[in-house]
Amino acid sequence: GAVVSQHPSRVICKSGTSVKIECRSLDFQATTMFWYRQFPKKSLMLMATSNEGSKATYEQGVEKDKFLINHASLTLSTLTVTSAHPEDSSFYICSASPLGGKGSNEQFFGPGTRLTVL
Amino acid sequence: AQKVTQAQTEISVVEKEDVTLDCVYETRDTTYYLFWYKQPPSGELVFLIRRNSFDEQNEISGRYSWNFQKSTSSFNFTITASQVVDSAVYFCALCDAGNMLTFGGGTRLMVKP
Repeated sequence: GAVVSQHPSRVICKSGTSVKIECRSLDFQATTMFWYRQFPKKSLMLMATSNEGSKATYEQGVEKDKFLINHASLTLSTLTVTSAHPEDSSFYICSASPLGGKGSNEQFFGPGTRLTVL
Repeated sequence: AQKVTQAQTEISVVEKEDVTLDCVYETRDTTYYLFWYKQPPSGELVFLIRRNSFDEQNEISGRYSWNFQKSTSSFNFTITASQVVDSAVYFCALCDAGNMLTFGGGTRLMVKP
């Protein structure tokens, strides 16, 4: 149980294009989903928190117009990197917290999406 | 604000050696959770353990053991008789009352045959 998938797992795109990454909770409903970014040999940095049906909360320094997050349902959140540039190349990881998860602060992580912008 | 520090950026050991990965945290919350994750080269985070702030019992799971010391705000992770497959980056993380996970910088463990 508690499986989170991400699609695609790897994407290469040209500079200036937009890329959409999907995060799905496969066997549970998620009230909250989180998006992290990880540069090579660095730690995970939280980009934003999204709750189903409401606007995402972005961490300081993260451009909300650049990284569009849509949490359309209790099992799906998407991250769109708009007008991607080489500096956006990174490993993007999502996580999901189950509906009704109380106090255990559980987050289940997806396998990550490696984005390379040429 | 919470903070997690993993002072060891890289550790290299020879197979069968024991190795301890250090983790020190800071938080103002009295209720919080501590985690360890393993990130192999594939990139996927592998959950290892979750410990809440009220449970200071040490835990052992096979070759893995964890030492939680609230007095020193530390949550160290020991691998006994390390194996090459243990080579990975290990992250310690803290989750506060607001359900926000803060990760340490990670420790890259290299186990040589």
